[in-house]
Amino acid sequence: EVVLTQSPATLSLSPGERATLSCRTSQSVSLYLAWYQQKPGQAPRLLIYDASTRATGVPARFSGSGSGTDFTLTISSLEPEDFAVYYCLQRSNWPLTFGGGTKVDIK
Amino acid sequence: QVQVQQWGEGLLKPSETLSLTCGVYGGSFTEYYWSWIRQPPGEGLEWIGEISHNGRTNYNPSLESRVTILVDSSKNHFSLKLRSVTAADAALYYCATSDSLNYADYWGQGTLVTVSS
Repeated sequence: EVVLTQSPATLSLSPGERATLSCRTSQSVSLYLAWYQQKPGQAPRLLIYDASTRATGVPARFSGSGSGTDFTLTISSLEPEDFAVYYCLQRSNWPLTFGGGTKVDIK
Repeated sequence: QVQVQQWGEGLLKPSETLSLTCGVYGGSFTEYYWSWIRQPPGEGLEWIGEISHNGRTNYNPSLESRVTILVDSSKNHFSLKLRSVTAADAALYYCATSDSLNYADYWGQGTLVTVSS
């Protein structure tokens, strides 16, 4: 099973600041990595897939990068609605696995 | 407009079988994966398993001996059965799918499953 390690666990930032979230995998997943955003009481929302492709309707301030074992989700300038928990997911190997999540909260 | 609706019993006793169904409406979802994911209260996401458009299933090894996922493509419905539940299976269960990607971008509203004697 591929283990995904997200860091930091919590990121405290102010609106307008840049957020950089990391996801590292225990073995290479090539580009088969996605990022999801989850707000309280809501289902996860797909933001990025195949490491760097924005899903339909996702604002351009969200960007993904990386390949192999190291991936990054960047939010260029935090909006109030971006404060949430973010999960990475790999679908290179079965079973699919999620990272433990990074909570982005308001400083 | 795509809608994903899920339903099923949310209160179970230990050793019973969890049974949930997911209906997907408003699009064509026969080409990709139909998945189930769960989330214990206050915790992260766990992938349970998926079924592909050709009926191939993949399950989380930690649950494989107790899980069955089936699809009825004619109705755009798919289902989850988890046998012999325990308190450790208490969670919010989501169904999810896509009409164009190998990643789930349409999710159900979630069903809270409680296991209590």
